[in-house]
Amino acid sequence: KNQVEQSPQSLIILEGKNCTLQCNYTVSPFSNLRWYKQDTGRGPVSLTIMTFSENTKSNGRYTATLDADTKQSSLHITASQLSDSASYICVVSAGIGNDMRFGAGTRLTVKP
Amino acid sequence: SQTIHQWPATLVQPVGSPLSLECTVEGTSNPNLYWYRQAAGRGLQLLFYSVGIGQISSEVPQNLSASRPQDRQFILSSKKLLLSDSGFYLCAWSVLHRGYEQYFGPGTRLTVT
Repeated sequence: KNQVEQSPQSLIILEGKNCTLQCNYTVSPFSNLRWYKQDTGRGPVSLTIMTFSENTKSNGRYTATLDADTKQSSLHITASQLSDSASYICVVSAGIGNDMRFGAGTRLTVKP
Repeated sequence: SQTIHQWPATLVQPVGSPLSLECTVEGTSNPNLYWYRQAAGRGLQLLFYSVGIGQISSEVPQNLSASRPQDRQFILSSKKLLLSDSGFYLCAWSVLHRGYEQYFGPGTRLTVT
């Protein structure tokens, strides 16, 4: 069983709408959690990074939350744009931070 | 600033042929280097990582190998490709003073026919 589970597997929304992606993890000991955006045919790019003591972090229209007690994170996208169409990958680091566990990603499609 | 390069961008190879993918990093010293494979519609699978020249750790046993002949050069190789080797190959680097955040290259799309 993967130590990082993401849901939904895929999501289609209309331009301008909001959406929330979920990430549940069992990785231990927890170091940090990152959300990456991966455009088709490109390498992933980091959106946010959250440590144990942080429960909310924003990057423009992207807001990530972390509940270290329940081991859950979410990525909320506000006022979606066509360029938000991508895969969003949740990555949880263990130990001193160099042991990274990847979720399978959520494939988001924003339609006009 | 740091940059990471991968080449080629795309590659079509017949089954049984050899493979060599190269990754180089500029603007940083002694990075950790990683090779990942991503099958179509799937998540990232760590193949190899290296913490220094000549130091390679393999995560998944397979017909692939990796080498690090220089501090900022990481090479992924195979003597004989299999159909199952098709996928998107990503190289990444990280350093301690950036919290080991991984920075990814543009990737190589490999199709084995």
